[in-house]
Order: sequence, then C-alpha cells, then structure tokens
Amino acid sequence: EVQLLESGGGLVQPGGSLRLSCAASGFAFTSYAMNWVRQAPGKGLEWVSAISGSGGTTSYADSGKGRFTISRDNSKNTLYLQMNSLRAEDTAVYYCAKLADSRRYLGSAFGIWGQGTMVTVSS
Amino acid sequence: EIVMTQSPATLSVSPGERATLSCRASQSVSNNLAWYQQKPGQAPRLLIDGASTRATGFPARFSGSGSGTEFTLTISSLQSEDFAVYYCQQYNNWPLTFGGGTKVEIK
Repeated sequence: EVQLLESGGGLVQPGGSLRLSCAASGFAFTSYAMNWVRQAPGKGLEWVSAISGSGGTTSYADSGKGRFTISRDNSKNTLYLQMNSLRAEDTAVYYCAKLADSRRYLGSAFGIWGQGTMVTVSS
Repeated sequence: EIVMTQSPATLSVSPGERATLSCRASQSVSNNLAWYQQKPGQAPRLLIDGASTRATGFPARFSGSGSGTEFTLTISSLQSEDFAVYYCQQYNNWPLTFGGGTKVEIK
C-alpha cells in the first residue's frame, strides 16, 4: 500500500524554523517527483514546493522562495521541507503529495496525499 | 501565474440530483487539469486527472470534461458520501495553482 506520513509540525514563534518530514512507503520513491501543499485553517489549497525524483530540480511558490528549502533522502525514502523565518501566514496543514505519473516533474496531478501535519506560527 | 476560478462557491443539492461544478483558467492549461475531493478532517483525494479520467475508486457518476480554459465536473446523482469540497488544479505551468473550491452541501 502506498503511504505518505508527515511529521514535524507544531507551534513555533514568528521568525522561527521548523523542518517537516514525509516518510514514504509502498512505491519506488526515487522514481517520483514529490511536492508539498498547504492549507490554512478554513481555506483552500496552496502549492508550496516540488522536487524531482533525483533531487536535482526544485521549484517553489513565491510565498516560500528564499525561506523554504525542499529536499529528499532517497536512501531513507523521506521528503523534507525546511522552513525558516516563519510568519503567521504560514500557519497551515502541510501535506506531502506524490505525483500520479512517475515520468513527470511538471504535468501530472497529485495521485497520493499524506494525512498532513499542522504548523502554527504564533507568539 | 494561472488563476483558477471555481463556481459556485457553494452548491446546495438534494440527494439524487445532478451537480455541475465549473472551473475556469485565466489562460489555457490544455487538459492538464485535476479535480480533488476533500471531506472534513481529511486530505484531498484525486478524483479526475487529465480533465476527464476518473481516478481509481470513484464511481461512474463522477465525470469531468473540458479543455483549454473551461472545465466542468459533473456528479450525475448525488449520494450522501459525495457531499464535500471539490478543488480544481492546473498542472500545466509553474506555479501549480488551485481553484478556491466548491462546497457541495445537502439541500
């Protein structure tokens, strides 16, 4: 069974840092680009970042550019999101998501989502 | 950035009735359009890929259509388990963008 399990969320003060993890299982992790998507409380979905299967290509939404870093450890089947200089508006559930198509970096829907991890930025 | 606009924001439908949800892109996304279903407290779930291909596990009462800038999700006969929020998403260009969602509620 394909599974994605996020962890690392919590309460952090404005300006602080947090690293999210997403443990993957049940599929060939290195073959798939992975993404982070977030959802503020009561709001819609916002794409955050993407990384290719090899880790050599990354993309970011403007909201996180220069503050967030996506990475992956293919030996551990784990995806990461390092978040620095956190702001109140970063408060959200953060989901990791696997592309539906292993051949794609752009051009594929999110086939599988994790259950999410909550990040709260507040003093 | 491609802006995805969904309408209506809320759709009140009786069980057994037909629901039609719309999604418009600010520029062409070809058929690189997905629909997701999200129930309260749950992660989104892929419903439609490639504008019209139903994902595994969803019944035939769900159908998607459209290409370019205009897309439609149709639920032919709403069942109780279909009441949820539905999001469209384009994956044709960076940044990837979602519509604001349509909440399908019981009338």
